[in-house]
Amino acid sequence: GNSVTQMEGPVTLSEEAFLTINCTYTATGYPSLFWYVQYPGEGLQLLLKATKADDKGSNKGFEATYRKETTSFHLEKGSVQVSDSAVYFCALRGSNYQLIWGAGTKLIIKP
Amino acid sequence: SAVISQKPSRDICQRGTSLTIQCQVDSQVTMMFWYRQQPGQSLTLIATANQGSEATYESGFVIDKFPISRPNLTFSTLTVSNMSPEDSSIYLCSVAPTGREGYTFGSGTRLTVV
Repeated sequence: GNSVTQMEGPVTLSEEAFLTINCTYTATGYPSLFWYVQYPGEGLQLLLKATKADDKGSNKGFEATYRKETTSFHLEKGSVQVSDSAVYFCALRGSNYQLIWGAGTKLIIKP
Repeated sequence: SAVISQKPSRDICQRGTSLTIQCQVDSQVTMMFWYRQQPGQSLTLIATANQGSEATYESGFVIDKFPISRPNLTFSTLTVSNMSPEDSSIYLCSVAPTGREGYTFGSGTRLTVV
């Protein structure tokens, strides 16, 4: 069946460091892939998405590329800020249009 | 993208009682989803609700415990019945995108059962 695996957190970085949060998936076909972010005390927000192989999603300085060869959708940012501290979820769209979620990765950015 | 109004935002309930959570969408949507997010955990799909048909429940969730209504294309409710402390969670509704946007989520209902 479909599944999403994310790197475990928390991930702690200093401000302006480079960020990578790994996400790999198992699925039949080529499902749409998503990154959602949940800031402390807030709801889920779509960060970026990609709908087909080699697509790159980007938003707020974050990027992720849909890699079918490695079944991955790693989230990257060149220079993180304290305001990026949040929980990040990788997800894929299942065959019944439901989202299948990774476990989430808590990101802590220290000034 | 669609905007969802979910209420209540939080509640503290006595065990054995029931709570109904409402989601109102500002546009007509075919598919709505109900999720549970336990503290510090990821989201777990409870059921998919399509207008005009019975909700489809995921493994581990049953209609008697989590009855869902979907009377029209802009509204749905989830009831958490005969609550126990183990039901303490955040409950979220979501709608599938109709265009190029992503899935939209309600702001969540933080339920505490005492």
